[in-house]
Amino acid sequence: AQSVTQLDSHVSVSEGTPVLLRCNYSSSYSPSLFWYVQHPNKGLQLLLKYTSAATLVKGINGFEAEFKKSETSFHLTKPSAHMSDAAEYFCVVYGANNLFFGTGTRLTVIP
Amino acid sequence: NAGVTQTPKFQVLKTGQSMTLQCAQDMNHNSMYWYRQDPGMGLRLIYYSASEGTTDKGEVPNGYNVSRLNKREFSLRLESAAPSQTSVYFCASSERTGGTYNSPLHFGNGTRLTVT
Repeated sequence: AQSVTQLDSHVSVSEGTPVLLRCNYSSSYSPSLFWYVQHPNKGLQLLLKYTSAATLVKGINGFEAEFKKSETSFHLTKPSAHMSDAAEYFCVVYGANNLFFGTGTRLTVIP
Repeated sequence: NAGVTQTPKFQVLKTGQSMTLQCAQDMNHNSMYWYRQDPGMGLRLIYYSASEGTTDKGEVPNGYNVSRLNKREFSLRLESAAPSQTSVYFCASSERTGGTYNSPLHFGNGTRLTVT
C-alpha cells in the first residue's frame, strides 16, 4: 500500500533562513513522489516531482527535494525562505492508479 | 488562459438540498478529477474521469455523482446534501495517459461548501 506521512503539521521559519519540510513515504515498489503547494484560497500547484531519475529534484521557486530510498524520505528544502513561501505544502505519492496526499504542512515565514 | 475554472466559489446548503458543482478546463486535458479537502486529512479523491465518456469512483464516492459532459467539463452532484459533506471541493485536470501521473495535476481554486 502507498501512503505518505508529513512529520510536521506546522513549521515556522524566519525570512532568509533555511526551510525543511519532512515527508516519509510507504510504497510497495519504486514510487513516484510529488510536492504541491497551496496558497490561501487557491488550488494546489506542483512544486516538483520525482520519477526515478535523479535523486535530487529541483522545483520551482528555489525548492528542491532529495529522494532517499534507505530512509524512505522525500524532504523538501529551500536555502532561504521568502515571505511569499508562506503556504501549505503537500507531499504526494502515486500508487494503485491514484495519488495519495499527506495531511499537509503549514509554513509560516516570520519577517 | 483560464486553466481550470470552478463555479460557484461558495455555497451554503440545507440538509437534503441538492446542487451541482461545475468544472471546466481549457487545456485539452484527457483526465479530470474531483477532490475534497478537509482539515488535517489532505485531499481525498471522490471521482475521476480518465477520458471523455468514462468515470470511476475514487476513495470517497458515497453521496456523490459525476458527469463528464464533454472533454472540457466535469460536474459533481450532491443529490441530498449532508453536514458531513461540508468541505472544500477541488476540481483538477491532467494530460495523464497510460495510467501514469507523470504529468502534473492542474487545480481550480475550489468551492467552499457548507451544509447546515
